[in-house]
Amino acid sequence: AQTVTQSQPEMSVQEAETVTLSCTYDTSESDYYLFWYKQPPSRQMILVIRQEAYKQQNATENRFSVNFQKAAKSFSLKISDSQLGDAAMYFCAYRGSSNTGKLIFGQGTTLQVKP
Amino acid sequence: SAVISQKPSRDICQRGTSLTIQCQVDSQVTMMFWYRQQPGQSLTLIATANQGSEATYESGFVIDKFPISRPNLTFSTLTVSNMSPEDSSIYLCSALTGGDEKLFFGSGTQLSVL
Repeated sequence: AQTVTQSQPEMSVQEAETVTLSCTYDTSESDYYLFWYKQPPSRQMILVIRQEAYKQQNATENRFSVNFQKAAKSFSLKISDSQLGDAAMYFCAYRGSSNTGKLIFGQGTTLQVKP
Repeated sequence: SAVISQKPSRDICQRGTSLTIQCQVDSQVTMMFWYRQQPGQSLTLIATANQGSEATYESGFVIDKFPISRPNLTFSTLTVSNMSPEDSSIYLCSALTGGDEKLFFGSGTQLSVL
């Protein structure tokens, strides 16, 4: 069975600085998708970034980028120029290509941004 | 992308009663799902809502407790039946868009059972 692990329950970063959130996963599949979701206190799950496993190039969305290491089964999220609005719970998630909708989530990392 | 409206946004219910949560998507989507997020926990998939047929439930979830309907491609309901305090959670509807294969979420229903 696939698993997703986020080993950092809490992280903090100074405003305008860079922070990296860690995520590792375990799977026997070769084709799959990885995601980072942001959940602010409003409860809304917001898709931050997506990575297809068959793509070697790391995904980037504005200030958010990932470091995808397929062999190491690692998928970290880097947030550059952190803003107060980035404060939230961040979840790493896995979806197999054969399991079209089911996401397996990590335990989450609470990010605090200090002014 | 897809905009998902979910209601109610929160409710406080008595033990033994049932609550139906509605989920409306602003466009036709390929698949819809219901997740549960227990206090301080991550999200767990309850079931896949299948259009025009019975939902597909994950291990640990049963239809008698969480009946689900999906009468068309944009609407689904989840009922939490015979509630107990252990059912106090956030319930989230999600939808998978075709093409870009992205999963979007509603804003969730915060349920408290007394």
